[in-house]
Amino acid sequence: QVQLVQSGAEVKRPGASVKVSCKASGYTFSKYYMHWVRQAPGQGLEWMGIINPSGGSASYAQKFQGRVTMTSDTSTSTVYMELSSLTSEDTAVFYCARDYGDYGPFDYWGQGTLVTVSS
Amino acid sequence: ETVLTQSPGTLSLSPGDRATLSCRASQSVSSSYLAWYQQKPGQAPRLLIYGASGRATGIPDRFSGSGSGTDFTLTISRLEPEDFAVYYCQQYGSSPPGTFGQGTKVEI
Repeated sequence: QVQLVQSGAEVKRPGASVKVSCKASGYTFSKYYMHWVRQAPGQGLEWMGIINPSGGSASYAQKFQGRVTMTSDTSTSTVYMELSSLTSEDTAVFYCARDYGDYGPFDYWGQGTLVTVSS
Repeated sequence: ETVLTQSPGTLSLSPGDRATLSCRASQSVSSSYLAWYQQKPGQAPRLLIYGASGRATGIPDRFSGSGSGTDFTLTISRLEPEDFAVYYCQQYGSSPPGTFGQGTKVEI
């Protein structure tokens, strides 16, 4: 069965960076794009970007351009999302989500990773 | 960029009721690339509907989607206790992909 397992919760200082991982299993990793979605406490879903695990090309939402980097490692079927220059407004749960077909929909989701930014 | 507006913000209903959730797009959604997700507290979203009306794998038939162009609807025919959650619509298939509505909370 398809599974996306994310890394554990993180606490970071303002100005720091965080790198969240998402390990895929149960399907051919290179055949499906992966998205990252942010959800601030009590708020809605915000798309951050998409990565093609085969080759590693990525496209980012304008809001996160220059601050986010998405990478992939086909040898471990893992994608990564690194967000830099963190502020308290980045406190959120970050999800990876598999792309079902044509830039969506998102058919499988990771369990989420809580990132807390606090001094 | 397409903006999705969901209504109502909160829907207060009882088990057994019919729920009708609306999602309106600021411009036409091509090829009915409209999805619905359910999210319960502390959980990741779950895909319910794609292509405006196709049910995802394992989704009960009490969930149905309809609409085209700019107006879409998610209907839950008879609410079960486990259906009380937040529901999001999403436009996909274009750049930037993954635009979400702000959500509708279905509460008891």
